[in-house]
Amino acid sequence: DADVTQTPRNRITKTGKRIMLECSQTKGHDRMYWYRQDPGLGLRLIYYSFDVKDINKGEISDGYSVSRQAQAKFSLSLESAIPNQTALYFCATSEREGRTHTGELFFGEGSRLTVL
Amino acid sequence: AQSVTQLDSQVPVFEEAPVELRCNYSSSVSVYLFWYVQYPNQGLQLLLKYLSGSTLVKGINGFEAEFNKSQTSFHLRKPSVHISDTAEYFCAVSGRGSARQLTFGSGTQLTVLP
Repeated sequence: DADVTQTPRNRITKTGKRIMLECSQTKGHDRMYWYRQDPGLGLRLIYYSFDVKDINKGEISDGYSVSRQAQAKFSLSLESAIPNQTALYFCATSEREGRTHTGELFFGEGSRLTVL
Repeated sequence: AQSVTQLDSQVPVFEEAPVELRCNYSSSVSVYLFWYVQYPNQGLQLLLKYLSGSTLVKGINGFEAEFNKSQTSFHLRKPSVHISDTAEYFCAVSGRGSARQLTFGSGTQLTVLP
C-alpha cells in the first residue's frame, strides 16, 4: 500500500460545484502539503500544515480551503470550482523540523481534476 | 527567498546517448538540493539529493548530479539513457533556514527516442 494515498484519483465536475480531495498518510509525518501541477509551471504550493492546529497558505491559496482532520489526514476543498482549477493535484508529507529535516517531500500519486 | 530555473523544458535524446538536464538556483541561505522524477500518470519520486559533503551525488537508475556552489547549479546527468527514462524531471531547492520549504523548477520533459 502507498504511504501517501489520495482520493479520488480522477474527477470530472462542473463549474460551481463543491469538490473535496482527500489525502491520508501512514508515514507518521507531522507536515502535510497540497500542490497543484500545471504544464510548464511545475508544482505550486496551495496550502501546508505543520500539525493539526497549524494551517498556512501557500502561493496560490485563493479559491481553495483545507482541513487537517488528524495527523494522518489533510483534505483540500474547492468551494465553487471553476475551469482554471483544472489541474493535477498532489498531496505530500515531510518530517517535522529537527536535525534530520531536509525539506524532502514524499508524494501521493495525484488527483486529476477537470472542471467543465 | 529562493528560486529554481530549469533551462530546458524539453530534451529529446536517442537511446544509449548521454544526457544532461540543467538546473540553476538562487537562495540567500545555504541549501539542500533535490531532483525528483515523474513517470507518466504517477506521482513524484526522489531521484537524488544533495545535503552536504561530496558535491557529486549518485541517485537511482544510474543518474548523478553535481552541486556547484560558485555557479549555483545542480545539473543532472546520465551517461547512457534508456527508453524507460522517459519522464518529467523536477529540480527543487530547500533553504537551510527554519522554514525549509521546497521550491520546484518548472520541469524538464526527457524523451528518449529509439
